[in-house]
Amino acid sequence: AQTVTQSQPEMSVQEAETVTLSCTYDTSENNYYLFWYKQPPSRQMILVIRQEAYKQQNATENRFSVNFQKAAKSFSLKISDSQLGDTAMYFCAFYTNAGKSTFGDGTTLTVKP
Amino acid sequence: DTGVSQDPRHKITKRGQNVTFRCDPISEHNRLYWYRQTLGQGPEFLTYFQNEAQLEKSRLLSDRFSAERPKGSFSTLEIQRTEQGDSAMYLCASSSVGEKLFFGSGTQLSVL
Repeated sequence: AQTVTQSQPEMSVQEAETVTLSCTYDTSENNYYLFWYKQPPSRQMILVIRQEAYKQQNATENRFSVNFQKAAKSFSLKISDSQLGDTAMYFCAFYTNAGKSTFGDGTTLTVKP
Repeated sequence: DTGVSQDPRHKITKRGQNVTFRCDPISEHNRLYWYRQTLGQGPEFLTYFQNEAQLEKSRLLSDRFSAERPKGSFSTLEIQRTEQGDSAMYLCASSSVGEKLFFGSGTQLSVL
């Protein structure tokens, strides 16, 4: 069974600053994908960034980047130049080729002006 | 890409009634997932389909819950004899194998 742990229930950051959200996971699978999703108050889940486990290079998407440490089973999200619109709940998720998916319990991020 | 559609957006029902939700995935996606989410928690996996085959069902899912995906297109999730504990947001997502999940806007169920 897979587990995903987000140890920071709430985080805050000043606008334009950088923040890192933590995620650890546990699995016996070797091939899998990791995602960060954002869920604003509208509750629509929006993909932020995706990482394939077989790729050593960390994924980046504009202001968003990950630090993927496969041996440590760690997958943190760094948001640079934080914007007010980044305020949302962020979920780390694990997904296998067989279709199994597990989400963490989320981190509520508040960007302060 | 018209996105994942869910219907209805909101459903209020009385305890003991049956409810059915519908999800229309992105047409070229062969995988379809159902999740349940309560406020302040992450989505909890319920079941998923690859084409019309239901490949996995959560052990947390009681036999009051059933899902179908006839012909591998849209899917329905039915809850029989609803209980107050069933109140939650029910999310549908679709994907191709190995690709990201595209989520619908969800169906908010309130059981009175």
